[in-house]
Amino acid sequence: ETGVTQTPRHLVMGMTNKKSLKCEQHLGHNAMYWYKQSAKKPLELMFVYNFKEQTENNSVPSRFSPECPNSSHLFLHLHTLQPEDSALYLCASSQSLSYEQYFGPGTRLTVT
Amino acid sequence: EDKVVQSPLSLVVHEGDTVTLNCSYEVTNFRSLLWYKQEKKAPTFLFMLTSSGIEKKSGRLSSILDKKELFSILNITATQTGDSAVYLCAVLLGGATNKLIFGTGTLLAVQP
Repeated sequence: ETGVTQTPRHLVMGMTNKKSLKCEQHLGHNAMYWYKQSAKKPLELMFVYNFKEQTENNSVPSRFSPECPNSSHLFLHLHTLQPEDSALYLCASSQSLSYEQYFGPGTRLTVT
Repeated sequence: EDKVVQSPLSLVVHEGDTVTLNCSYEVTNFRSLLWYKQEKKAPTFLFMLTSSGIEKKSGRLSSILDKKELFSILNITATQTGDSAVYLCAVLLGGATNKLIFGTGTLLAVQP
């Protein structure tokens, strides 16, 4: 248990659906991150938030929309996804941007 | 382009063996190098290395960084079946980006 929780753990959605992934950290950290992990590819950074402000958008398509209402919560809103978006989505947090990141268990997303 | 390369891609050993995992990098603005262990879902943090030549140790695991030759190694002695996992190396960039660039990982299988 790393102190970072994610829900749901598994999600199957159609290409026309709208869904949201939720991440919560109980570590008192100030930075939060979304990553995508596809089969046989390195973990890929998507978004970075520091003190609720987005500091990095790694050229992510607009069908992925992050939201960070406070330093403990991070959401990833999904709409009109493509089958190639199927992957493990991992949330992470760190004390600050220069510290090690702690990961949640991930949401396994399947787009049909 | 910033990149992190791990070798070998996969490795099969027997319990009690010692293994060395390699990570080399080419990045524009190096801040630190991190090692993670990923068993099923969440990568779990192992080490963060910032200075050359200083070994970090935790039980049977140890790691060292060479900033001149741009690589790091992760050693595991007296391997156990519970060490079976994917070991991820990542480089934390400095400056304005603060991105964590991951390698593809080394899959370690420890047989009884």
